[in-house]
Amino acid sequence: GAGVSQSPRYKVAKRGQDVALRCDPISGHVSLFWYQQALGQGPEFLTYFQNEAQLDKSGLPSDRFFAERPEGSVSTLKIQRTQQEDSAVYLCASSLGGGQGIYEQYFGPGTRLTVT
Amino acid sequence: KNEVEQSPQNLTAQEGEFITINCSYSVGISALHWLQQHPGGGIVSLFMLSSGKKKHGRLIATINIQEKHSSLHITASHPRDSAVYICADHNDMRFGAGTRLTVKP
Repeated sequence: GAGVSQSPRYKVAKRGQDVALRCDPISGHVSLFWYQQALGQGPEFLTYFQNEAQLDKSGLPSDRFFAERPEGSVSTLKIQRTQQEDSAVYLCASSLGGGQGIYEQYFGPGTRLTVT
Repeated sequence: KNEVEQSPQNLTAQEGEFITINCSYSVGISALHWLQQHPGGGIVSLFMLSSGKKKHGRLIATINIQEKHSSLHITASHPRDSAVYICADHNDMRFGAGTRLTVKP
């Protein structure tokens, strides 16, 4: 079975450009998480979906960040008007269950975004 | 929000040594994740535990819920264990900054 995949793996954007990052979770996984990892730091939570519902977006750093998962499978993280401080690796993870259950998360390889 | 602290930040060991990485958190949690991140970025989940101890091969994870502390141990360390080890609280998904482990042959 395929794991979590993300595309593109690398993205270079000029400051002010919009970018869209895609995550394909493991088939059948209910929960999907997006994280941002700056160089030399641990990941930071951005947002969480249970199926198509975005249950927590408290980690999104600004209103330039938007995430969706319209059919409860593939998710897209969009960053509008990118700025240099957005440069980071964006990680996606999925897990089988949701709600109050405790489930292992499976991580994708990440998308490294560089804003010039 | 939970504050998750790890120590040490960096750790260098000789092959065969016993390794301990510590994680403490400020707010009670239902479970804690231990993750491994290799150069190149891929993250693998090692353990998810809510009490006591778990063992997988040469890796052992323990958690003390009352003391808000967890440890990851590696027995008979090997150069291929070189990676960044990260703990994260399950409730808020707050991550520690990671411990960079280098095991020398």
